[in-house]
Amino acid sequence: EPEVTQTPSHQVTQMGQEVILRCVPISNHLYFYWYRQILGQKVEFLVSFYNNEISEKSEIFDDQFSVERPDGSNFTLKIRSTKLEDSAMYFCASSVGRGQETQYFGPGTRLLVL
Amino acid sequence: RKEVEQDPGPFNVPEGATVAFNCTYSNSASQSFFWYRQDCRKEPKLLMSVYSSGNEDGRFTAQLNRASQYISLLIRDSKLSDSATYLCVVNSPGGYNKLIFGAGTRLAVHP
Repeated sequence: EPEVTQTPSHQVTQMGQEVILRCVPISNHLYFYWYRQILGQKVEFLVSFYNNEISEKSEIFDDQFSVERPDGSNFTLKIRSTKLEDSAMYFCASSVGRGQETQYFGPGTRLLVL
Repeated sequence: RKEVEQDPGPFNVPEGATVAFNCTYSNSASQSFFWYRQDCRKEPKLLMSVYSSGNEDGRFTAQLNRASQYISLLIRDSKLSDSATYLCVVNSPGGYNKLIFGAGTRLAVHP
């Protein structure tokens, strides 16, 4: 069964450093998403991406964040200058379409900012 | 009012019990409703979509009441493997399928 994959599974970084989280969505999916979950809190939407551009973003997704689909398979989330409060689990998701389409989640990258 | 509200639990039930979870959502224009399951430190996994007519998948039954903006999940004959956090999820209307998650209801099934 096709699945969303994410690398790395864990990332530890120093405050102020840049990190890039990588995702490979399911191959025939067209819509891509990033969510995050701070430990003990709910899953929060960050950004959605379609047709090589951001279609929607949340207030969390400020200028420190960017997304890119550098080739036909990868979908990346970059945090330019990490803060302590960026420590969280970051989930990538993809769906075939929008509307009532199911989103399938990757296993997540656990980011720890020291 | 929270966008999606759930009782956090935990619900501690014996194997074989029937347990029901409830959820309310604030935006009456939402069109898509889901229950996801999340195991500790894992990704959310779709349990089932929720339709206006109600739907059943084995031991799981989901109901939607649009007038009350209320969603429910019933689990019959609980198994130890059902122990997890159950997330009520609603789409944000008008956008690109942004999902809004509740904080989850924790279920612990014991022998």
